[in-house]
Amino acid sequence: ILNVEQSPQSLHVQEGDSTNFTCSFPSSNFYALHWYRWETAKSPEALFVMTLNGDEKKKGRISATLNTKEGYSYLYIKGSQPEDSATYLCAFPSGGGADGLTFGKGTHLIIQP
Amino acid sequence: NAGVMQNPRHLVRRRGQEARLRCSPMKGHSHVYWYRQLPEEGLKFMVYLQKENIIDESGMPKERFSAEFPKEGPSILRIQQVVRGDSAAYFCASSPIRLAENEQFFGPGTRLTVL
Repeated sequence: ILNVEQSPQSLHVQEGDSTNFTCSFPSSNFYALHWYRWETAKSPEALFVMTLNGDEKKKGRISATLNTKEGYSYLYIKGSQPEDSATYLCAFPSGGGADGLTFGKGTHLIIQP
Repeated sequence: NAGVMQNPRHLVRRRGQEARLRCSPMKGHSHVYWYRQLPEEGLKFMVYLQKENIIDESGMPKERFSAEFPKEGPSILRIQQVVRGDSAAYFCASSPIRLAENEQFFGPGTRLTVL
């Protein structure tokens, strides 16, 4: 059974500050690591899909890094804004690299004005 | 370019009734995934379907739950003889191809309440 762990569970950050959080996943049989952003009352929305060790992806103020050998990924948010408040989920393909995703429980981020 | 559609958005059933949840994938997507979010828990994979085929149902409860994705029409998740423990938010997602590195597009979810 795959286990995807995220920390911290929740995070309060002052507007303008930068922050980061962690996703750890099994390093064997790696296919891809997904990051999703889930705002209250909306659907999860894909941020990044990462496949290569050492990969770094960026979308605006949000970026992510990947270490497949040790099984972790970091998500960074630079200069947090209130609209960044959401739950950030990471996920790992459940089996064979092509099936449903196993999700972590998420990091619930609250940006305080 | 409509996204993934789910209906109904809210569904209330009494114990013992049947629940039918529908999912229309994005245009051009032939791969559908169903997930469930129980209260105070994360998203859990249930089943993965392509048109007319169930590919992986390893996350489906063994009894009372079934899913289909016919050649025409939406994917349907069916729960027979619902119990209170089935109360949850059910999400479907779709993707255009079957690859681990392909993002899945999520619908708004159906919130099932069993009285």
